[in-house]
Amino acid sequence: AQSVTQPDIHITVSEGASLELRCNYSYGATPYLFWYVQSPGQGLQLLLKYFSGDTLVQGIKGFEAEFKRSQSSFNLRKPSVHWSDAAEYFCAVGITGGGADGLTFGKGTHLIIQP
Amino acid sequence: DTGVSQDPRHKITKRGQNVTFRCDPISEHNRLYWYRQTLGQGPEFLTYFQNEAQLEKSRLLSDRFSAERPKGSFSTLEIQRTEQGDSAMYLCASSIADGYEQYFGPGTRLTVT
Repeated sequence: AQSVTQPDIHITVSEGASLELRCNYSYGATPYLFWYVQSPGQGLQLLLKYFSGDTLVQGIKGFEAEFKRSQSSFNLRKPSVHWSDAAEYFCAVGITGGGADGLTFGKGTHLIIQP
Repeated sequence: DTGVSQDPRHKITKRGQNVTFRCDPISEHNRLYWYRQTLGQGPEFLTYFQNEAQLEKSRLLSDRFSAERPKGSFSTLEIQRTEQGDSAMYLCASSIADGYEQYFGPGTRLTVT
């Protein structure tokens, strides 16, 4: 079965600084990878996805992520964070074969933005 | 595109009572998923539908849980004889039949007292 690890439970970044959130997955084949963001009391918003092709994917709100097969990683980055980026971030993996199974999520990284 | 909607947003119930939640997916999305999210955790998959057919159920979905999608549009998730351990956020998501992005609703927060 697939699994997702987000090693950092909390990350604190100063506004305007760069950000990298780590995600490692375990799956026997090439998975479909996603990053979602969740604000307090809200559902999840899709930031970006990787299915195939270019390993550097661009998402909404200025986020990008890079798929590294050799490291089984899909880290999320943003060059300059804004206070509104404070939220919970979830990495998720979907298996190949039509998306039939549900997504497997990591436990999330709580992002705190310092003024 | 009005997004995925869920009703109610909050539900407080006493242990032993039955509760039912509703999810309206994005129109034309054939796949509908239910997840459960507890505090400090990521969502956990419960079940999913392709049109009206329920095609997969997680082992997390005990016999007290039942989900339906009778006409392939909205779905309901019922929990019978609720327990305190059922307290969680219940999230619904939908996707197109041959796509993989899942779009989530705002969730229903269940509190069992």
